[in-house]
Amino acid sequence: EAGVAQSPRYKIIEKRQSVAFWCNPISGHATLYWYQQILGQGPKLLIQFQNNGVVDDSQLPKDRFSAERLKGVDSTLKIQPAKLEDSAVYLCASSSTRQGAGEQYFGPGTRLTVT
Amino acid sequence: KNEVEQSPQNLTAQEGEFITINCSYSVGISALHWLQQHPGGGIVSLFMLSSGKKKHGRLIATINIQEKHSSLHITASHPRDSAVYICAVSSTGNQFYFGTGTSLTVIP
Repeated sequence: EAGVAQSPRYKIIEKRQSVAFWCNPISGHATLYWYQQILGQGPKLLIQFQNNGVVDDSQLPKDRFSAERLKGVDSTLKIQPAKLEDSAVYLCASSSTRQGAGEQYFGPGTRLTVT
Repeated sequence: KNEVEQSPQNLTAQEGEFITINCSYSVGISALHWLQQHPGGGIVSLFMLSSGKKKHGRLIATINIQEKHSSLHITASHPRDSAVYICAVSSTGNQFYFGTGTSLTVIP
Protein backbone atom coordinates (compact mmCIF):
# COMPACT_ATOMS: atom_id res chain seq x y z
CA GLU A 1 0.00 0.00 0.00
CA ALA A 2 1.50 3.34 -1.01
CA GLY A 3 1.86 5.91 1.75
CA VAL A 4 0.92 9.57 1.83
CA ALA A 5 2.78 11.43 -0.89
CA GLN A 6 3.82 15.06 -0.67
CA SER A 7 5.68 17.40 -2.98
CA PRO A 8 7.91 19.24 -3.11
CA ARG A 9 10.09 17.95 -0.25
CA TYR A 10 11.92 21.25 0.08
CA LYS A 11 11.13 24.81 -0.99
CA ILE A 12 12.97 28.07 -0.49
CA ILE A 13 11.20 31.31 -1.36
CA GLU A 14 11.51 34.98 -0.57
CA LYS A 15 8.98 36.73 1.64
CA ARG A 16 5.91 38.01 -0.19
CA GLN A 17 6.22 35.24 -2.80
CA SER A 18 3.60 32.53 -3.22
CA VAL A 19 4.02 28.80 -2.75
CA ALA A 20 1.87 25.70 -3.13
CA PHE A 21 2.19 22.23 -1.63
CA TRP A 22 0.57 19.06 -2.88
CA CYS A 23 -0.60 15.99 -1.00
CA ASN A 24 -1.94 12.66 -2.22
CA PRO A 25 -3.39 10.63 0.67
CA ILE A 26 -3.56 6.88 1.00
CA SER A 27 -6.12 5.49 -1.41
CA GLY A 28 -9.57 5.32 0.14
CA HIS A 29 -8.78 7.59 3.08
CA ALA A 30 -11.63 10.05 3.45
CA THR A 31 -10.01 12.33 6.01
CA LEU A 32 -7.06 14.54 5.12
CA TYR A 33 -5.14 16.89 7.40
CA TRP A 34 -2.63 19.67 6.84
CA TYR A 35 -0.30 20.49 9.75
CA GLN A 36 2.34 23.15 10.27
CA GLN A 37 5.32 22.17 12.39
CA ILE A 38 7.67 24.94 13.41
CA LEU A 39 11.13 23.83 14.52
CA GLY A 40 11.10 22.63 18.12
CA GLN A 41 7.31 22.48 18.36
CA GLY A 42 4.66 19.85 17.86
CA PRO A 43 2.50 19.89 14.73
CA LYS A 44 -0.36 22.39 14.61
CA LEU A 45 -3.50 21.51 12.67
CA LEU A 46 -4.18 23.98 9.87
CA ILE A 47 -7.14 22.34 8.16
CA GLN A 48 -9.02 19.04 8.15
CA PHE A 49 -11.05 17.71 5.23
CA GLN A 50 -13.65 14.98 5.24
CA ASN A 51 -13.86 13.96 1.58
CA ASN A 52 -14.01 17.34 -0.18
CA GLY A 53 -15.61 19.25 2.70
CA VAL A 54 -13.82 21.27 5.37
CA VAL A 55 -14.32 19.93 8.91
CA ASP A 56 -12.01 22.28 10.82
CA ASP A 57 -10.05 25.28 9.57
CA SER A 58 -10.15 27.31 12.77
CA GLN A 59 -6.36 27.67 12.95
CA LEU A 60 -5.79 28.41 9.27
CA PRO A 61 -4.59 32.01 8.73
CA LYS A 62 -7.15 32.66 6.04
CA ASP A 63 -5.73 36.01 5.01
CA ARG A 64 -2.76 34.23 3.44
CA PHE A 65 -3.37 30.46 3.56
CA SER A 66 -5.84 28.52 1.46
CA ALA A 67 -6.43 24.83 0.87
CA GLU A 68 -8.64 22.77 -1.34
CA ARG A 69 -9.53 19.15 -1.96
CA LEU A 70 -11.83 19.52 -4.91
CA LYS A 71 -12.39 15.88 -5.83
CA GLY A 72 -12.02 14.47 -2.35
CA VAL A 73 -8.69 12.85 -3.13
CA ASP A 74 -5.52 14.93 -3.38
CA SER A 75 -5.17 18.36 -1.86
CA THR A 76 -3.18 21.56 -2.27
CA LEU A 77 -2.18 24.06 0.39
CA LYS A 78 -1.21 27.57 -0.75
CA ILE A 79 0.46 30.47 0.98
CA GLN A 80 0.14 33.89 -0.63
CA PRO A 81 2.04 36.02 0.29
CA ALA A 82 4.57 34.18 2.46
CA LYS A 83 6.05 35.68 5.61
CA LEU A 84 9.26 34.80 7.41
CA GLU A 85 7.29 33.13 10.23
CA ASP A 86 5.81 30.66 7.74
CA SER A 87 9.14 28.82 7.66
CA ALA A 88 8.21 25.35 8.89
CA VAL A 89 7.57 21.79 7.83
CA TYR A 90 4.13 21.30 6.34
CA LEU A 91 2.81 17.82 7.00
CA CYS A 92 -0.07 16.10 5.31
CA ALA A 93 -1.79 13.14 6.95
CA SER A 94 -4.73 10.95 6.10
CA SER A 95 -7.06 8.67 8.00
CA SER A 96 -9.66 6.15 7.01
CA THR A 97 -11.94 7.03 9.93
CA ARG A 98 -14.02 10.06 10.51
CA GLN A 99 -12.86 13.20 12.25
CA GLY A 100 -9.65 12.25 13.97
CA ALA A 101 -10.74 9.21 15.93
CA GLY A 102 -8.50 6.83 14.07
CA GLU A 103 -4.87 6.35 13.23
CA GLN A 104 -3.31 8.98 11.03
CA TYR A 105 -0.70 8.24 8.41
CA PHE A 106 1.76 11.03 7.74
CA GLY A 107 3.55 12.06 4.60
CA PRO A 108 7.27 13.00 4.58
CA GLY A 109 6.48 16.71 4.82
CA THR A 110 7.53 19.77 2.86
CA ARG A 111 10.22 21.88 4.48
CA LEU A 112 9.58 25.54 3.62
CA THR A 113 12.19 28.22 4.17
CA VAL A 114 11.13 31.84 3.69
CA THR A 115 14.02 34.29 3.38
CA LYS B 1 -2.11 25.55 29.03
CA ASN B 2 -1.51 22.83 26.45
CA GLU B 3 -4.02 20.02 26.24
CA VAL B 4 -1.12 17.53 25.99
CA GLU B 5 2.03 17.79 28.08
CA GLN B 6 5.11 15.62 27.65
CA SER B 7 8.16 15.07 29.80
CA PRO B 8 11.03 15.20 29.59
CA GLN B 9 11.57 17.63 26.73
CA ASN B 10 15.03 16.26 26.05
CA LEU B 11 16.53 12.95 27.04
CA THR B 12 20.01 11.51 26.56
CA ALA B 13 20.64 7.85 27.35
CA GLN B 14 23.42 5.33 27.00
CA GLU B 15 22.86 2.42 24.67
CA GLY B 16 21.08 -0.39 26.47
CA GLU B 17 19.28 1.79 29.00
CA PHE B 18 15.57 1.54 29.75
CA ILE B 19 13.81 4.75 28.69
CA THR B 20 10.47 6.21 29.77
CA ILE B 21 8.67 9.16 28.21
CA ASN B 22 5.57 10.49 29.91
CA CYS B 23 2.45 12.13 28.55
CA SER B 24 -0.41 13.81 30.41
CA TYR B 25 -3.55 15.20 28.84
CA SER B 26 -6.43 17.30 30.05
CA VAL B 27 -9.24 16.51 27.59
CA GLY B 28 -11.54 13.55 27.21
CA ILE B 29 -10.12 11.27 24.58
CA SER B 30 -11.18 8.53 22.23
CA ALA B 31 -7.58 7.45 21.60
CA LEU B 32 -3.99 8.35 22.40
CA HIS B 33 -1.22 8.11 19.84
CA TRP B 34 2.54 7.80 20.15
CA LEU B 35 4.41 9.04 17.08
CA GLN B 36 8.07 8.96 16.09
CA GLN B 37 9.79 11.63 14.03
CA HIS B 38 13.37 11.22 12.82
CA PRO B 39 15.43 14.32 11.94
CA GLY B 40 14.37 15.55 8.53
CA GLY B 41 11.87 12.72 8.25
CA GLY B 42 8.16 12.36 8.34
CA ILE B 43 6.13 11.09 11.26
CA VAL B 44 5.49 7.42 11.87
CA SER B 45 2.69 6.17 14.06
CA LEU B 46 4.01 3.79 16.75
CA PHE B 47 0.89 3.08 18.79
CA MET B 48 -2.75 4.00 19.01
CA LEU B 49 -4.37 2.97 22.28
CA SER B 50 -7.45 3.72 24.33
CA SER B 51 -6.83 1.45 27.31
CA GLY B 52 -4.28 -0.84 28.90
CA LYS B 53 -0.99 -1.63 27.26
CA LYS B 54 0.47 -2.39 23.85
CA LYS B 55 3.85 -3.85 22.93
CA HIS B 56 5.76 -3.83 19.67
CA GLY B 57 9.28 -5.16 19.73
CA ARG B 58 11.23 -3.15 22.29
CA LEU B 59 8.53 -0.51 22.59
CA ILE B 60 5.76 -0.60 25.18
CA ALA B 61 2.96 1.94 25.56
CA THR B 62 0.63 2.14 28.53
CA ILE B 63 -2.32 4.34 29.32
CA ASN B 64 -4.22 5.11 32.52
CA ILE B 65 -7.53 6.66 31.54
CA GLN B 66 -8.50 7.61 35.09
CA GLU B 67 -5.24 9.50 35.63
CA LYS B 68 -5.14 10.84 32.04
CA HIS B 69 -1.59 9.66 31.68
CA SER B 70 0.38 7.54 29.24
CA SER B 71 3.95 6.31 29.12
CA LEU B 72 6.15 5.11 26.29
CA HIS B 73 8.92 2.73 27.30
CA ILE B 74 11.90 1.65 25.24
CA THR B 75 13.80 -1.37 26.49
CA ALA B 76 17.46 -2.00 25.58
CA SER B 77 17.72 1.37 23.82
CA HIS B 78 19.80 1.65 20.66
CA PRO B 79 21.25 4.66 18.80
CA ARG B 80 18.73 4.11 16.01
CA ASP B 81 15.99 4.92 18.54
CA SER B 82 17.24 8.52 18.51
CA ALA B 83 14.30 10.60 17.36
CA VAL B 84 11.57 12.92 18.58
CA TYR B 85 8.68 11.06 20.22
CA ILE B 86 5.35 12.85 20.11
CA CYS B 87 2.25 12.12 22.15
CA ALA B 88 -1.06 13.08 20.57
CA VAL B 89 -4.70 12.57 21.50
CA SER B 90 -7.94 12.30 19.57
CA SER B 91 -10.41 14.09 21.80
CA THR B 92 -14.04 13.13 22.27
CA GLY B 93 -14.80 16.47 20.63
CA ASN B 94 -13.16 15.18 17.45
CA GLN B 95 -10.09 17.39 17.82
CA PHE B 96 -6.52 16.19 17.50
CA TYR B 97 -3.98 17.61 19.98
CA PHE B 98 -0.21 17.15 19.88
CA GLY B 99 2.41 17.39 22.59
CA THR B 100 5.59 19.30 21.82
CA GLY B 101 7.64 16.12 21.67
CA THR B 102 10.52 14.53 23.53
CA SER B 103 13.88 14.59 21.80
CA LEU B 104 15.72 11.35 22.55
CA THR B 105 19.42 10.81 21.88
CA VAL B 106 20.90 7.36 22.53
CA ILE B 107 24.67 7.37 22.76
CA PRO B 108 26.62 4.26 21.70
